[in-house]
Amino acid sequence: EPEVTQTPSHQVTQMGQEVILRCVPISNHLYFYWYRQILGQKVEFLVSFYNNEISEKSEIFDDQFSVERPDGSNFTLKIRSTKLEDSAMYFCASEDGVKDTQYFGPGTRLTVL
Amino acid sequence: RKEVEQDPGPFNVPEGATVAFNCTYSNSASQSFFWYRQDCRKEPKLLMSVYSSGNEDGRFTAQLNRASQYISLLIRDSKLSDSATYLCAVIPGGGADGLTFGKGTHLIIQP
Repeated sequence: EPEVTQTPSHQVTQMGQEVILRCVPISNHLYFYWYRQILGQKVEFLVSFYNNEISEKSEIFDDQFSVERPDGSNFTLKIRSTKLEDSAMYFCASEDGVKDTQYFGPGTRLTVL
Repeated sequence: RKEVEQDPGPFNVPEGATVAFNCTYSNSASQSFFWYRQDCRKEPKLLMSVYSSGNEDGRFTAQLNRASQYISLLIRDSKLSDSATYLCAVIPGGGADGLTFGKGTHLIIQP
């Protein structure tokens, strides 16, 4: 069964550094998403991406964040200057545009020191 | 983004019992509704979509009540492997496509 993959599984960085989280969505899917989950809290929507542009973003997704689909398979989330409060699990999800159903990757645990 | 509310639990239920959770949503324009399951420190996994007429998948039954703005999940003949956190998720509609999640209901099935 096709699945969303994410790398790395765990990223440790120093405050102020840039990080790039990578995702490979399911191959025939058209919509891509990033979510985050701070430990003990709910899953929060960050951004959605369709047809090579952002279609929706939340108030969390400020100027420090950016997304890109650099080729036909990868979907990346960049955090320009990480803060302590960016420590969280970051989940990528994709959807085929037909069933309105999003499938999640295993996540990247980001730890900012 | 408007809210999705769930009773956090934990619900402690003996194996074989039936358990039900509710979830309320505040945006009456919400269009799509889902139940996800999340195991500790893992990703949300889709359990089932929730349709207006209600739907069943094996031991799981989901219902939608648009008038009262809640969705429910019923688990029959619960198994030890059903122990997890159950997340309610809603797509708000109005052009928005990201999921709004509740905080989840923690279920513990006891032998």
